[in-house]
Amino acid sequence: QSVLTQPPSASGTPGQGVTISCSGSSSNIGTNTVNWYQQLPGAAPKLLIYGNHQRPSGVPDRFSGSKSGTSASLAISGLQSGDEADYYCAAWEDSINGPVVFGGGTKLTVL
Amino acid sequence: QVQLVQSGAEVKKPGSSVNVSCKASGGTFSNYAVSWVRQAPGQGLEWLGGIIPILDTAHYPQVFQGRITITADKFTSTVYMYLSSLRSEDTAIYYCARLQGSYYYYGMDVWGQGTTVTVSS
Repeated sequence: QSVLTQPPSASGTPGQGVTISCSGSSSNIGTNTVNWYQQLPGAAPKLLIYGNHQRPSGVPDRFSGSKSGTSASLAISGLQSGDEADYYCAAWEDSINGPVVFGGGTKLTVL
Repeated sequence: QVQLVQSGAEVKKPGSSVNVSCKASGGTFSNYAVSWVRQAPGQGLEWLGGIIPILDTAHYPQVFQGRITITADKFTSTVYMYLSSLRSEDTAIYYCARLQGSYYYYGMDVWGQGTTVTVSS
């Protein structure tokens, strides 16, 4: 049972946009920043978004992050087949669970 | 560009322990926190704990307290994760990851290649 809640799956067709949600609480997302990771099949995770909406160098601007209250979202526009991956949100939580907590992950399928 | 190189795959018996290393190549951990994350087969990511090498202070979630120890050798830029009392549920890929800054609210921007640990009798 993950501390942060994500939908297990999402899908879209090439060129479309998709949004993945991440729900938390006042102990984590509500008071701290959210990071997002992309994990391609068979690979290590990769930092996709940090500080709620910042993109590391090399991450296309098709990927964007936002946060409101105790929830965060990852939006992907102009879907490509290479975006098919698992996506995880993470946040800092000052509790027995943390200080780092992850969402359960969302598997994105590009139809 | 710093890379994290982890030690090789391990096969362990239930009840034993494992030590996985993570060496920074082309850089150091000096001012950065380091986390350990694992992924069981077909499952999501799970944070095991981390260390702030400059303070030599480690942090663990309660679920692993007493069973995990994370240490850092600043001279060799190597971080170690020791997990004891292994059970089959500990079978997973174990990753080390360097954070963008000196605490855990930063993103993990450099990852090791992963170390497969298999626990089987």
